[in-house]
Amino acid sequence: DQQVKQNSPSLSVQEGRISILNCDYTNSMFDYFLWYKKYPAEGPTFLISISSIKDKNEDGRFTVFLNKSAKHLSLHIVPSQPGDSAVYFCAASAYWSGGTSYGKLTFGQGTILTVHP
Amino acid sequence: DTAVSQTPKYLVTQMGNDKSIKCEQNLGHDTMYWYKQDSKKFLKIMFSYNNKELIINETVPNRFSPKSPDKAHLNLHINSLELGDSAVYFCASSQGRRSLNEQFFGPGTRLTVL
Repeated sequence: DQQVKQNSPSLSVQEGRISILNCDYTNSMFDYFLWYKKYPAEGPTFLISISSIKDKNEDGRFTVFLNKSAKHLSLHIVPSQPGDSAVYFCAASAYWSGGTSYGKLTFGQGTILTVHP
Repeated sequence: DTAVSQTPKYLVTQMGNDKSIKCEQNLGHDTMYWYKQDSKKFLKIMFSYNNKELIINETVPNRFSPKSPDKAHLNLHINSLELGDSAVYFCASSQGRRSLNEQFFGPGTRLTVL
């Protein structure tokens, strides 16, 4: 049972346009969400996070939106650049509500983003 | 200077063999993790150690045994390898055991069981 899902395996975007990556979760105990970025032959690197007490968090070109009622989050990249081409993983944890599981991250399967020049 | 390193990067072996994957971090972190990326590309937590104490132990066959000789190292030993063990295994570390603490990942070890 996959509690975090990224239903788009890939996304192709023109340089300068907006990239929107989506993530859905099923576990209502999740209260902390993260996005990781992964280049080939490297491990994932942390990009941005959001707590369930917020519905938006922004860091430069990257913004994460959280819709708790829909159990949905999205990552917006504006403007997209060719260097953003990578696999993006969504992850979630039950930080405040998970008891001793507050260190555990549940990841989605990733979305391959390709930004064309 | 690599922050989280894993050896080997690639491992090809026969069914039934025993193998180990090593992980080292030079970030001074107190928590280390092993993840498995399966054929469907999901990254799944297997184990986590905090100050050499096992704190997360997911439903993993007991053929998998993590060993943490010190805070900077977390090795993964796999006995009696099976075809289904073929995957990419990632090691990670963080300062602190909470999900708020950023996890730094190694480059992964691609294990192929023939």
